Amino acid sequence: EIVLTQSPGTLSLSPGERATLSCRASQSVSSSYLAWYQQKPGQAPRLLIYGASSRATGIPDRFSGSGSGTDFTLTISRLEPEDFAVYYCQQYQGFGPGTKVDIK
Amino acid sequence: QLQLQESGPGLVKPSETLSLTCTVSGGSISSSSYYWGWIRQPPGKGLEWIGSIYYSGSTYYNPSLKSRVTISVDTSKNQFSLKLSSVTAADTAVYYCASYQLLYSGFDYWGQGTLVTVSS
Repeated sequence: EIVLTQSPGTLSLSPGERATLSCRASQSVSSSYLAWYQQKPGQAPRLLIYGASSRATGIPDRFSGSGSGTDFTLTISRLEPEDFAVYYCQQYQGFGPGTKVDIK
Repeated sequence: QLQLQESGPGLVKPSETLSLTCTVSGGSISSSSYYWGWIRQPPGKGLEWIGSIYYSGSTYYNPSLKSRVTISVDTSKNQFSLKLSSVTAADTAVYYCASYQLLYSGFDYWGQGTLVTVSS
């Protein structure tokens, strides 16, 4: 079973800053199966990135994904107020524990 | 676009079986492009995949829950269902149903979620 870990647990940043979130797998995974989600309080998660680097429909280009093997990254180039949320990575059918991006 | 809606009791007694149904609209549950999944989220915690089913009936379960979970599909009603047996307070969570798009390898449409509380 592949275990995903995410770091940091919480990221405190200001609007306009760059956010870099990490997802690490316990063993190598196919990039095809690595996805990222955003979840805001009281809402269902929203698919942001699939295949490690492809943006889902309607996702702004300030969101980008990269990585391969065991190390993957979600980058938000310039944080907008609506981007403060929790972000989860997912590999096939398992989720990481999440990174909370909150306002500094 | 797909819409998913969970339904079922919001309160279940300890040791009993939790039963939820997800109704899919805007598309066919018999589509070869999708698996159909259940994911849960305990209050204040992260997401946990419970299991998924293909329209043919093939199922995949989280190993940690496998002994207590049954997921089934009813193509005539465009629905799939979750049964979780022998529940305890640790099973209290918001339960989501979602579509797993095979092309994207991601859950692209989600229900709004339903809170199920396990309590006597």
